[in-house]
Amino acid sequence: QKEVEQNSGPLSVPEGAIASLNCTYSDRGSQSFFWYRQYSGKSPELIMSIYSNGDKEDGRFTAQLNKASQYVSLLIRDSQPSDSATYLCAVKNTGGFKTIFGAGTRLFVKA
Amino acid sequence: DAGVTQSPTHLIKTRGQQVTLRCSPKSGHDTVSWYQQALGQGPQFIFQYYEEEERQRGNFPDRFSGHQFPNYSSELNVNALLLGDSALYLCASSPTANEQFFGPGTRLTVL
Repeated sequence: QKEVEQNSGPLSVPEGAIASLNCTYSDRGSQSFFWYRQYSGKSPELIMSIYSNGDKEDGRFTAQLNKASQYVSLLIRDSQPSDSATYLCAVKNTGGFKTIFGAGTRLFVKA
Repeated sequence: DAGVTQSPTHLIKTRGQQVTLRCSPKSGHDTVSWYQQALGQGPQFIFQYYEEEERQRGNFPDRFSGHQFPNYSSELNVNALLLGDSALYLCASSPTANEQFFGPGTRLTVL
């Protein structure tokens, strides 16, 4: 079992729709969770962090965390073609220093 | 305020050679982590430096070593290069143990 798992995609949504990206993790003691966006040929950019169960909203982005189910998700509302990228889920391990990334989900937003 | 910087941008080496990559963290950040990202994969944690000490290490051989200087900048050294070391090497800095911000990366090609 991979430590952080994501569907590789690609996930294709029409412009204006809601994109839903999912992630599961194996370390039950994990405390910190992150979503990064990575455009082709570029480095990852932090877009959301979440530390407690529930929802956290920032503009068009909502991160959801369910520690009991070991599940993290990212919702992108009113998706735009500029949102087309690979989205990486990252989890900081119980020790607190090592961050483990999933392989990423490729998102395509069709105009 | 300059973000995380890395040098060089691109590098071509041959098998068996040694390479040094450099990173300057964002102003105010004292923690530097290094990652290797192969094509189509998420970043893999190599190690983290804090107060000039290696604080945690990922599953990488001893050929990978690093250093942090008093000004918080850092170097990643890789000895006896293998073809499989070809990847994007990312440096990330953080002001705390949590959110990390990535530099643009160094693309290493081993021939």
